[in-house]
Amino acid sequence: EAGVVQSPRYKIIEKKQPVAFWCNPISGHNTLYWYLQNLGQGPELLIRYENEEAVDDSQLPKDRFSAERLKGVDSTLKIQPAELGDSAVYLCASSPGSGSTDTQYFGPGTRLTVL
Amino acid sequence: GDSVTQMEGPVTLSEEAFLTINCTYTATGYPSLFWYVQYPGEGLQLLLKATKADDKGSNKGFEATYRKETTSFHLEKGSVQVSDSAVYFCALKTSGTYKYIFGTGTRLKVLA
Repeated sequence: EAGVVQSPRYKIIEKKQPVAFWCNPISGHNTLYWYLQNLGQGPELLIRYENEEAVDDSQLPKDRFSAERLKGVDSTLKIQPAELGDSAVYLCASSPGSGSTDTQYFGPGTRLTVL
Repeated sequence: GDSVTQMEGPVTLSEEAFLTINCTYTATGYPSLFWYVQYPGEGLQLLLKATKADDKGSNKGFEATYRKETTSFHLEKGSVQVSDSAVYFCALKTSGTYKYIFGTGTRLKVLA
């Protein structure tokens, strides 16, 4: 069974440029998460989807970050414009649901460097 | 609010040594508890989990017991290998909102 797929794996951009990350969750997983992981830190939730609905986006900086999950499968996270402080690893994860026994599985992440 | 606290690393051990990585948590209700491992250049992988008090999660020789009385979920392994070198993250999943909260991670280095 294929795991969570993310692309690109690495991205280098100049500040003020836009950037987008793509995630394909495990087949059949209804819940999708985007996390931000700074160097030496644990992942921090940006947004959680149940199917195509964003049910928790309280930590998403909405002035520059946006996300979508059309048709409740793939998802895209966008930053526009990027700032130096956005340099980090962006992780996508999915789980069958969001109940107490559901476990999330992570993709390899996209490492963003903003120059 | 809910939080997870892990011992700071790096933890450096010789091969076959005993490993303990401490993790304590603060949460309302009855969270589920997890240990994830992250190898260099890879995403997080679930190592083990426990969903209620006194449960013991185990996998690949690693164990952790959900201790509600001490709000702890310490990770242990009896004999580490060089291949265990990685960053280990303790996490909880809140009851009700089912939100994941991660600790800052503990880097383990195992020397041959």
